[in-house]
Amino acid sequence: RKEVEQDPGPFNVPEGATVAFNCTYSNSASQSFFWYRQDCRKEPKLLMSVYSSGNEDGRFTAQLNRASQYISLLIRDSKLSDSATYLCVVNIGGYGQNFVFGPGTRLSVLP
Amino acid sequence: DAGITQSPRHKVTETGTPVTLRCHQTENHRYMYWYRQDPGHGLRLIHYSYGVKDTDKGEVSDGYSVSRSKTEDFLLTLESATSSQTSVYFCAITGRLGSGGELFFGEGSRLTVL
Repeated sequence: RKEVEQDPGPFNVPEGATVAFNCTYSNSASQSFFWYRQDCRKEPKLLMSVYSSGNEDGRFTAQLNRASQYISLLIRDSKLSDSATYLCVVNIGGYGQNFVFGPGTRLSVLP
Repeated sequence: DAGITQSPRHKVTETGTPVTLRCHQTENHRYMYWYRQDPGHGLRLIHYSYGVKDTDKGEVSDGYSVSRSKTEDFLLTLESATSSQTSVYFCAITGRLGSGGELFFGEGSRLTVL
């Protein structure tokens, strides 16, 4: 079983749709959780950190369920510019090899 | 945006030649990382550094070496490049670890080994 798993995708949705991405992690000692977006041929960019209480940033909402070892990202009112690959990243604490990346889920928002 | 620059951004080289990629940061962050990204494999850690002259191996370190003589610079060297090292290489930094320690990436260096 992979340490961090994500919906396989791709997701093709119309503009204005609401889309949800799921991520599960296997290490119960994981401490920090993040969503990154990566555009084609570009570097991953931090979209948002995920806090235990959940957090929202405009159209984006992230949730963490430690008991189920599950993270989600909800995008409301999708825009064409949201088209990208979304990476779930987990830090099990410390540094070095302790950032674990999911394989990513590709989103295409269609006009 | 985090002040991270990578050079060169693109390089084409031949098998057996040495290659050095440079990562430069202006953030005075302690921790620096080199990742490679390949289709079907996602991001994989090559080497990381936790301070000047302090480095350690990641999961795909074979064929690579690193050096960090100054806080701001982290060099990745391929002593004798092979076609399997054709990839996109990303440098990353983080200054705060554990809870809240986000990674910030450079723009990437695209390497092709012929």
